[in-house]
Amino acid sequence: SQKIEQNSEALNIQEGKTATLTCNYTNYSPAYLQWYRQDPGRGPVFLLLIRENEKEKRKERLKVTFDTTLKQSLFHITASQPADSATYLCAYINAGNMLTFGGGTRLMVKP
Amino acid sequence: DGGITQSPKYLFRKEGQNVTLSCEQNLNHDAMYWYRQDPGQGLRLIYYSQIVNDFQKGDIAEGYSVSREKKESFPLTVTSAQKNPTAFYLCASSIGRDSPSIPLHFGNGTRLTVT
Repeated sequence: SQKIEQNSEALNIQEGKTATLTCNYTNYSPAYLQWYRQDPGRGPVFLLLIRENEKEKRKERLKVTFDTTLKQSLFHITASQPADSATYLCAYINAGNMLTFGGGTRLMVKP
Repeated sequence: DGGITQSPKYLFRKEGQNVTLSCEQNLNHDAMYWYRQDPGQGLRLIYYSQIVNDFQKGDIAEGYSVSREKKESFPLTVTSAQKNPTAFYLCASSIGRDSPSIPLHFGNGTRLTVT
């Protein structure tokens, strides 16, 4: 079955460092991947979308890569700040044309 | 400001009671969705609606019901048949289901606790 997986363990990094979060998918080749940010007790907020023919997408301090060979997307936050602390979710459009979400990775940026 | 409003933020019910969660959007979006989120798990799709008076089951529709009488509103009823109703419920909308690259806009959720 189609699966999308994110590291369930929290990622703790020091302020100013680059955070890298991983999203792996199996048994499917999505045309798009999306990344969302979710704060505690709030709904997810869309950050970036990357298409299969795009190797990399950037938005301010955010960068997303999409490796269709490894079936993996990496999400980078450069010069991380405590305000970047949140849970980050990846998602793709599955064969049924519906958005399928990973379990999310919690990022903690310490000052 | 356009957005999605879910109410209430917290809801408590006794086992065996039906409960309805409200979701209203003023984004003029055609498609609306209900997701359930449990700790450590991804969002799971309950129901979705592409157009008024039409809706489809998602992956975990058992024990839930919806209606879509108005474009702006997509209420979710959690019935007594739902075995594990305690969860965080998220409503979302998008311009249209036929544009899968378009992202979802989410409300801020309703946390339902059933005891």
